[in-house]
Amino acid sequence: GDSVTQMEGPVTLSEEAFLTINCTYTATGYPSLFWYVQYPGEGLQLLLKATKADDKGSNKGFEATYRKETTSFHLEKGSVQVSDSAVYFCALVSGGYQKVTFGIGTKLQVIP
Amino acid sequence: KAGVTQTPRYLIKTRGQQVTLSCSPISGHRSVSWYQQTPGQGLQFLFEYFSETQRNKGNFPGRFSGRQFSNSRSEMNVSTLELGDSALYLCASSLSRSSEGEKLFFGSGTQLSVL
Repeated sequence: GDSVTQMEGPVTLSEEAFLTINCTYTATGYPSLFWYVQYPGEGLQLLLKATKADDKGSNKGFEATYRKETTSFHLEKGSVQVSDSAVYFCALVSGGYQKVTFGIGTKLQVIP
Repeated sequence: KAGVTQTPRYLIKTRGQQVTLSCSPISGHRSVSWYQQTPGQGLQFLFEYFSETQRNKGNFPGRFSGRQFSNSRSEMNVSTLELGDSALYLCASSLSRSSEGEKLFFGSGTQLSVL
């Protein structure tokens, strides 16, 4: 079946540091890929998405590129802020409309 | 535009009881899906409803069931509660116009504690 693998963390960074959260996947067909973010006490919010190979999703300074050859969708940001502290989920949809497979979630802590 | 509303926000039950959770999607959204979130397992897909029909189902026992009404509101029911059912239950809605997977809009969840 479909699966998404990401590190659980926590990842602790100083403000203005470079962020990479790795995400790899296994899926049948050609999945759409997503990054969601969950702030404390809230539901998840879509951060960015990519629907085909080599697409780059971007939002709020975050970027991720759909790499079919390495089955990866790593999340990057050049300079993190304290307000980016949250849990980040990599996810995919593969031929199943809204049946979304999520990774375990990576907790990010940014310290001033 | 109002967001996805889940009620109640918190719930405490004892083993063997049953529980019903409610979800009101964003106006115009016809797809509602449910997820169970736990620290060890992350987010696990329960089921998805579209126009009152269950379209997808995850790998949960039959104690977990749901339904969707004509106004797209959805309920999820868990019977014969077990300690392991303690979790945050998240509801998400979307327009679901294509099979590519569209943006999900999540509610804040119902935190269920089973004692």
